[in-house]
Amino acid sequence: LAKTTQPISMDSYEGQEVNITCSHNNIATNDYITWYQQFPSQGPRFIIQGYKTKVTNEVASLFIPADRKSSTLSLPRVSLSDTAVYYCLVGDYKLSFGAGTTVTVRA
Amino acid sequence: DSGVTQTPKHLITATGQRVTLRCSPRSGDLSVYWYQQSLDQGLQFLIHYYNGEERAKGNILERFSAQQFPDLHSELNLSSLELGDSALYFCASSVATVSPGDEQYFGPGTRLTVT
Repeated sequence: LAKTTQPISMDSYEGQEVNITCSHNNIATNDYITWYQQFPSQGPRFIIQGYKTKVTNEVASLFIPADRKSSTLSLPRVSLSDTAVYYCLVGDYKLSFGAGTTVTVRA
Repeated sequence: DSGVTQTPKHLITATGQRVTLRCSPRSGDLSVYWYQQSLDQGLQFLIHYYNGEERAKGNILERFSAQQFPDLHSELNLSSLELGDSALYFCASSVATVSPGDEQYFGPGTRLTVT
């Protein structure tokens, strides 16, 4: 099962771009990479999912290099409301969500 | 609002007791998942049901059990409760069985406090 490593925390300011990198060295051929966002005392919310190269939606972008051993979630122009925990999942849900990255956006 | 509902929102009970948490998935979703989130363990997968059948088990204790009913709602039963069972319990649903990475929709959670 692919294990993920991501930073425990990151600080940013409003209007900046936040990039969170997740390492997953033993990702399997059929594994997708999925990111979730969680606010305190709320359930996680799906942000974006990808398999390779780049995926973009209205909320974020996901960059995946050719070797797929890492991925980077990019949040453009963050606001205070983007302060949350961000989880990187590789493969399926049975791996559980890990500790995630706590992103704190300051004014 | 994800469309997933969970009841009750809060539950306070004593050690040794038994409780039942309820989850209604989004309309049309056949899969239901249960997760436990405690301060020191993060968000842990417990169990997955698809259309009434158990599909996968995670770190679920033997004191815990779950089922999914014909109307697709699910219940998580926790018995012989211990202080360490205090946590947020989330239910999530998805359209089908989870191929790697199926998007899950999470409910608001039930906060269980065991005293």
